[in-house]
Amino acid sequence: DTAVSQTPKYLVTQMGNDKSIKCEQNLGHDTMYWYKQDSKKFLKIMFSYNNKELIINETVPNRFSPKSPDKAHLNLHINSLELGDSAVYFCASSQGWQGAYEQYFGPGTRLTVT
Amino acid sequence: GDSVTQMEGPVTLSEEAFLTINCTYTATGYPSLFWYVQYPGEGLQLLLKATKADDKGSNKGFEATYRKETTSFHLEKGSVQVSDSAVYFCALSRGNQGGKLIFGQGTELSVKP
Repeated sequence: DTAVSQTPKYLVTQMGNDKSIKCEQNLGHDTMYWYKQDSKKFLKIMFSYNNKELIINETVPNRFSPKSPDKAHLNLHINSLELGDSAVYFCASSQGWQGAYEQYFGPGTRLTVT
Repeated sequence: GDSVTQMEGPVTLSEEAFLTINCTYTATGYPSLFWYVQYPGEGLQLLLKATKADDKGSNKGFEATYRKETTSFHLEKGSVQVSDSAVYFCALSRGNQGGKLIFGQGTELSVKP
C-alpha cells in the first residue's frame, strides 16, 4: 500500500494554463506539506497544513493555492503557469508538526511548463 | 535565517570505501537534525535523525552525531555498497515552525563496483 501518493507523476503544459496536483496519504497523519525541488535538486517548503488548516505559507506567489478537503488530502492548484514553475513537486505528511516527526514523502510530480 | 550547508557533490566511491558527507547548520536554539535519502526517481526517505546535542542517529550502517559545538551533523558509513548510490540531504527543523524542514543542497553519491 502506498503511504503518500501523488497524481499525476508527470505534467507537461503551456505557459498561462491552470493545473492541479493531487496528494493523498493513508497513514492517518495530521500534517501535510508541499515542497518544490528545482533543477539543481534544492528542496524548499511551500505550504504546511495541520488538520486541514494552513500553518505555513512560505512566501509562495498567490498563483499557488493549496486545498485540504480532509486530513488525508492536500491538493495544489496553480494558476497562470510560468516557465519558472517547472520543477518536481513533492507532497509529504507527518504525524504532527511540533517536534522531530519523520516526514513521509510522495514520489513527486514533475511539472514542465513550455 | 536558518540554513544548512552540505559538501558539494558528486561524490564517487568504490564499493566498500568509507563515506563521509559533511553537513553544517546555522540556527538559533536547538533544532532537530535529519538525513534524508533520495533514490533515483523516488521521493525522499528518512535515513536517520538526532534531536539533541551529542545524540547519534544510526540506520542501515549510516551514522551521524549532533555536534552543537561545531554545528555539524556529518554522515558516515564504514563500507558503502552500490545500492547506496543516491542523493543525500541534510536538514533541520525547529519545533515552532510548522514542521518546516530546511534542507541542504543535497550531495549525490555514486558507488562503483
